[in-house]
Amino acid sequence: EAGVTQFPSHSVIEKGQTVTLRCDPISGHDNLYWYRRVMGKEIKFLLHFVKESKQDESGMPNNRFLAERTGGTYSTLKVQPAELEDSGVYFCASSQAGLEQFFGPGTRLTVL
Amino acid sequence: GEDVEQSLFLSVREGDSSVINCTYTDSSSTYLYWYKQEPGAGLQLLTYIFSNMDMKQDQRLTVLLNKKDKHLSLRIADTQTGDSAIYFCAESEGYSTLTFGKGTMLLVSP
Repeated sequence: EAGVTQFPSHSVIEKGQTVTLRCDPISGHDNLYWYRRVMGKEIKFLLHFVKESKQDESGMPNNRFLAERTGGTYSTLKVQPAELEDSGVYFCASSQAGLEQFFGPGTRLTVL
Repeated sequence: GEDVEQSLFLSVREGDSSVINCTYTDSSSTYLYWYKQEPGAGLQLLTYIFSNMDMKQDQRLTVLLNKKDKHLSLRIADTQTGDSAIYFCAESEGYSTLTFGKGTMLLVSP
């Protein structure tokens, strides 16, 4: 069974540009989470989907970030326009009804 | 202050025991976790402990929880070079979002 996949693995963009990150959860997992780790800091929660609905988006830093999960399958996280402080590693995780969240390898975003 | 704190670096020799420590502030935490991240990979759940337990053992891993002091530790017995990774402590209230520490980089030398 495939794990959580994320695309791209690495993205380098200039300040002001737009970037879209994609996460494919484990098939059948209703819960999908986005987290972010900024260099040298802790991994921080961004938001949580249950199927296609946003259950909790309290961690989204500002309105430059837009997450979607159309059809309750894969999810995208768009940053528009990107700023320098958005650089970091963006992790996606999925879970079914249970305790364990399964993490993807992350997308490393570098904003120049 | 931060919700979950960990030391940033630990270096041990192969065969020794490693102890990684973590403190947390949220008294309503119900689950406490240890995740492992190897280079280029995602976070892998190693083990977790429910907040009403004080110890959990799983093969080479021993988790100790001092709820009064809000202190969690992970002991790895007979540490191997393959254990070199970043270890994250995390907590949650129920089956919900995770709050992580900054991670402890464990370096195991031959």
